[in-house]
This record gives sequence, C-alpha cells and structure tokens, in this order.
Amino acid sequence: GQQLNQSPQSMFIQEGEDVSMNCTSSSIFNTWLWYKQDPGEGPVLLIALYKAGELTSNGRLTAQFGITRKDSFLNISASIPSDVGIYFCAGSIPPGGSNYKLTFGKGTLLTVNP
Amino acid sequence: EAQVTQNPRYLITVTGKKLTVTCSQNMNHEYMSWYRQDPGLGLRQIYYSMNVEVTDKGDVPEGYKVSRKEKRNFPLILESPSPNQTSLYFCASKSRDSYPGYTFGSGTRLTVV
Repeated sequence: GQQLNQSPQSMFIQEGEDVSMNCTSSSIFNTWLWYKQDPGEGPVLLIALYKAGELTSNGRLTAQFGITRKDSFLNISASIPSDVGIYFCAGSIPPGGSNYKLTFGKGTLLTVNP
Repeated sequence: EAQVTQNPRYLITVTGKKLTVTCSQNMNHEYMSWYRQDPGLGLRQIYYSMNVEVTDKGDVPEGYKVSRKEKRNFPLILESPSPNQTSLYFCASKSRDSYPGYTFGSGTRLTVV
C-alpha cells in the first residue's frame, strides 16, 4: 500500500520554541490529516486539509497541504508542556469518492522540556 | 457522549487461545476500522468496514478476522494468536458523508505469550 515518510522521528525542545514536522509521499493524496496521540490514549484529529495549497490553523497549530498533493507539514508555535505526545500525519485517497481508508505516517514523538 | 469503546483495555493471553476484542460506537457511523500500532511502524490498518456486512482487508490482515453484523459493533477476532500479534490495537469510526477524520477508541494493549 501507500507509504508516508514522516520526519523527524522525534524532537526534544524547550518550552516556548516553535516546532515543525512534515510528511511526504510517493503517491498523491486528496486529503491530509494531522493527529495527536497522548500517552495511553487513541489519536485525536487536530487538523484536516482538503485542497492542494491549503493552509489551515487551529490555535497554535498550522498545517499546509502541499501543492503537489504529495506532502504536508505541521507547525506548532510557542510550544507548551501539554504539546507532548506523538503526532501522526495521515493521507486519504477516496476510491469512488469515499474517504474511508487512511494511511498513517510512523509518527513524530515530541518532548517539551519545561 | 459520542465515543468509540473498546474492551478490554489490557489483555494477556497465551499462544493459540482464541480471543475477541470488542468495539462499539454510538455515533451511527457507517465506517469502522481496526489499526495496530507498533513502535517504529506507526498505525497500520488491519480491516475496515464500510457498512453492515461489508468488510475488507487493510494492509496487515493476516491472522485476524472481523465481522459487522450490526452498525454499532465491529469486533476483532484472533482465532489463534501468536506472539507477533502483541501490539496496541485501535478501533475507529467515521461518518460516510461528513468530516474525513476517524474517531479512535482508547486502545487495547494485547500481549501474547
């Protein structure tokens, strides 16, 4: 199946710093999603992107859908301790128009030092 | 509260002993899916279902079975578990017509010894 290359694998930052992570694919996706997983919990959707070139914000989070439709990035500004967790990108290709299959990246483990 | 409920949260079993992990959602979602999460491999889809009695294989279906007899339930069955199925499992659901993101359950940590 399709594969997503997510980088970096892990990040250690100081509270207040900005963070950037990205995802690339050899295939085109029609939807890009970014999830966060807190320890001991399931992933929670942060941002959804539907159109090539789209830039979307959710509080301190900003994500972009690459114009080639093969990449996406997520920025977190002014990080805080509760940003700790694993961040996953996910891409969706809708066969017949149904977005039921998600392919996930391997995740970026973010650690924030207070 | 809208949610996806998995049971059990933790399970230790022995090789070859059949087990079922249950999943239930109360959002009337058409789509449901099972993922496994392993260190360094991220989330990989095992099976998915587009509606009652409609299921299909994901990327890593070997050793697993599913059924979708009711819209709200999507159990994951391991007929003969093996140690390489030790993993963290997530069930997820989404509506067919809206919002593309799946809602995930809290996970089931399975250990096969």
